[in-house]
Amino acid sequence: QVQMQQWGAGRLRPSETLSLTCSLYGGSFTENWWTWIRQSPEKGLEWIGEIKQSRSANYNPSVKSRVTISLDTSKRQFSLKLTSVIAADAAVYYCARAHKYTQGYYMDVWGTGTTVTVSS
Amino acid sequence: QSVLTQPPSVSGAPGQRVTIPCTGTGSNIGTSYDVHWYQHLPGTAPKLLIFGSDVRPSGVPDRFSGSKSGTSASLTITGLRPEDEAFYYCQSHDNSLSYLVFGGGTKLTVL
Repeated sequence: QVQMQQWGAGRLRPSETLSLTCSLYGGSFTENWWTWIRQSPEKGLEWIGEIKQSRSANYNPSVKSRVTISLDTSKRQFSLKLTSVIAADAAVYYCARAHKYTQGYYMDVWGTGTTVTVSS
Repeated sequence: QSVLTQPPSVSGAPGQRVTIPCTGTGSNIGTSYDVHWYQHLPGTAPKLLIFGSDVRPSGVPDRFSGSKSGTSASLTITGLRPEDEAFYYCQSHDNSLSYLVFGGGTKLTVL
């Protein structure tokens, strides 16, 4: 059974860098897209970005200037870095495995989420 | 303010049928892009319920079904059970935004 485990610092001060990592257990790491999604009361569920081996990452324009998603295939992990966090970045962050096809894009395996708070 | 619109809450008694609508526009659901549905209990990983607008992943009971028509989609749950009480989210792709978008979520209460 495919599972995803995620971890990272959950309490940040404004201007710090958010750093989260997600590890895949089971399944193929090289054949799928890997995504980060966040959920906040203000914005609901928001797609942050995606990455796949041998493909460049794609990001939501709202965070594109501050975000980096990277892959470590040898460790079967992918990571999210968001610089210069502000209060609006406080959310529950999820990693997920995504399936892209001609008519759609959906996530079939999700991490359990990391709550990130931003406060001085 | 989510791109796709869902009612904040719906309810039903055990054994009943409920339908959760998801309304979009000609830029998302009204295109050829499929709609997908997730079940979520806070503190847990969201679970894929329906993909490709009407396809159930292996292991999802056939009490759950999805449909899409025009700029709207819906999730129908028949034979409601107490364990169905959760939040439900629809998701699609938006041509104008060029990325995937979600509904605001609907809390299902089983009375």
